[in-house]
Amino acid sequence: QVQLVQSGAEVKKTGSSVKVSCRASGGTFTNYAFSWVRQAPGQGLEWMGGIIPIFSTTKYSQKFQGRVTITADESTSTVYMELSRLRSDDTAVYYCARIHSSIWYEAMSPWGQGSLVIVSS
Amino acid sequence: DIVMTQSPDSLAVSLGQRATITCKSSQSVLSSSNSKNYLAWYQRKPGHPPNLLIYWASTRESGVPDRFSGSGSGTDFTLTISSLQAEDVAVYYCQQYYSTPYTFGQGTKLEIK
Repeated sequence: QVQLVQSGAEVKKTGSSVKVSCRASGGTFTNYAFSWVRQAPGQGLEWMGGIIPIFSTTKYSQKFQGRVTITADESTSTVYMELSRLRSDDTAVYYCARIHSSIWYEAMSPWGQGSLVIVSS
Repeated sequence: DIVMTQSPDSLAVSLGQRATITCKSSQSVLSSSNSKNYLAWYQRKPGHPPNLLIYWASTRESGVPDRFSGSGSGTDFTLTISSLQAEDVAVYYCQQYYSTPYTFGQGTKLEIK
């Protein structure tokens, strides 16, 4: 049974960057796509982008284009999400989630446990 | 972007009774090429990440109790819990994966009456 284990909580200054990791264990890494979704306090779920490691292709939400970079390291079965030029409204819990297959248009399961990122001045 | 709108925002149902949540998309998420609705439902319990319940609008994820069912097509969808159990208290979200950016409904908070 695949599990996604994310890195721990981070506190960052406005204007800096954060890189969150998501390691997949117990399943085949390269056969799937992965997404990053965030939830700010009191807000809904927001898809940021994703990656298909086997094809090295990425998709990003236009809202985050230019600020977010999603990468994958097949040797460690780990996906990364880096968000730059952090603002206070980037304070959120960031989730990675595996997409049901190696194509984009499928549901997401399982999800990582979430990584809290707090941005303050 | 496709806008997903759920109703109600919150719902209180007695144990053993039926709970129904609806989700409407701003454009159809039904594919003409494969006749599939690109719509999923997730359950989110406090302190836990979202958990996939239903995909393709009506297919239950492995391990999900059969009291959960999904229906609908095109732009209108429903999640039904046939007999509410205490462990079903959660926030429920619909999500479209027809096009990127994937988008979610605002969530429906389900409580016990």
